[in-house]
Amino acid sequence: NAGVTQTPKFRILKIGQSMTLQCTQDMNHNYMYWYRQDPGMGLKLIYYSVGAGITDKGEVPNGYNVSRSTTEDFPLRLELAAPSQTSVYFCASSYSRGTANYGYTFGSGTRLTVV
Amino acid sequence: KNEVEQSPQNLTAQEGEFITINCSYSVGISALHWLQQHPGGGIVSLFMLSSGKKKHGRLIATINIQEKHSSLHITASHPRDSAVYICAVTKEDDKLIFGTGTRLQVFP
Repeated sequence: NAGVTQTPKFRILKIGQSMTLQCTQDMNHNYMYWYRQDPGMGLKLIYYSVGAGITDKGEVPNGYNVSRSTTEDFPLRLELAAPSQTSVYFCASSYSRGTANYGYTFGSGTRLTVV
Repeated sequence: KNEVEQSPQNLTAQEGEFITINCSYSVGISALHWLQQHPGGGIVSLFMLSSGKKKHGRLIATINIQEKHSSLHITASHPRDSAVYICAVTKEDDKLIFGTGTRLQVFP
């Protein structure tokens, strides 16, 4: 049981380049999330999805796009990388959202540097 | 002011010491989560609770809903407990809000 798998683990991008951070889960979770973690700050929600074909913006969506064509996959795309997007990105999933009965499973993170 | 506040921000301890990390929140919640993040590593969910107390091995998490406060205790601390411990709450609108974390270092 792999849980939540994120790739790549590390990436250096030049300003203006594009890339896709991959996230896949094998737990048949309906809910998937993308967070970014900046030094000294709590994780911030970028986008989330409540099921295949449905996505919605979180707190800090600017500069990012997502899609959810299958239950398993939730890729995050950066179209025109900027230094402000240097961060550690975490994908997470949960069976449902917000109840005390179901927790969250996090991926191992992607450390992205934009230079 | 952050909706989730943790204290202390940094904590050092000698192996074997009893450790307490505190979390206070200012919003209505349906659940509170304690997470662990090792250096350069991913995030692991330790506890999820909405009332009372939970125990797993040397870790104990408590929550007082009336006081909007939770504590994470580590008994007989060990160097492998060194990590960042993050408190997060699921708000009543289903949003998950994170604290900034407590960095714990346990020395042998």
